[in-house]
Amino acid sequence: NAGVTQTPKFRILKIGQSMTLQCTQDMNHNYMYWYRQDPGMGLKLIYYSVGAGITDKGEVPNGYNVSRSTTEDFPLRLELAAPSQTSVYFCASSYSGDVSYEQYFGPGTRLTVT
Amino acid sequence: DAKTTQPPSMDCAEGRAANLPCNHSTISGNEYVYWYRQIHSQGPQYIIHGLKNNETNEMASLIITEDRKSSTLILPHATLRDTAVYYCIVRERSNDYKLSFGAGTTVTVRA
Repeated sequence: NAGVTQTPKFRILKIGQSMTLQCTQDMNHNYMYWYRQDPGMGLKLIYYSVGAGITDKGEVPNGYNVSRSTTEDFPLRLELAAPSQTSVYFCASSYSGDVSYEQYFGPGTRLTVT
Repeated sequence: DAKTTQPPSMDCAEGRAANLPCNHSTISGNEYVYWYRQIHSQGPQYIIHGLKNNETNEMASLIITEDRKSSTLILPHATLRDTAVYYCIVRERSNDYKLSFGAGTTVTVRA
């Protein structure tokens, strides 16, 4: 299994541009998550999904959108990029949302907005 | 989530066991103890978790005290590739799906 994969690894955006961060998992997990990690800080949950067609906001959803059309894919869309969105973005998945199930993370996408 | 306390840093000799402590004195009965690590510039990696009993897997062992107020992660034979920030997280049963990473312990394995 490849686990959780993310593309691209790095990206530089100009202010106001848009982009989609891709996330795919091959573990048939129902739950998927997007986090961001600012330098020297912990992870903050942006959005999550409990299954195909169902998404919900996390702690810091403003400026982002998500969709979940399949079990495997959970893309994160940035509209009108701002410097405050410079961060490392991690996608994660888990079999269940119950706390007895662990979350597995992808390698991250490093985004710089200038 | 219950608060956890970890030492900010520790060194370990390659090939020796690394014992990482974590205090979670306010933990409640149905909260799990999780350990993750983050190697520089990589995504967090799940290590192990437990509720009451000690747990062991291919990566590590987790020892939870009987009163559940503290735990120890044991890396049995540390290698240079184990150098990372290790996070102890307590997760409660709720609709809150996020993992709350604190400052963690920076572990440096030295040859």
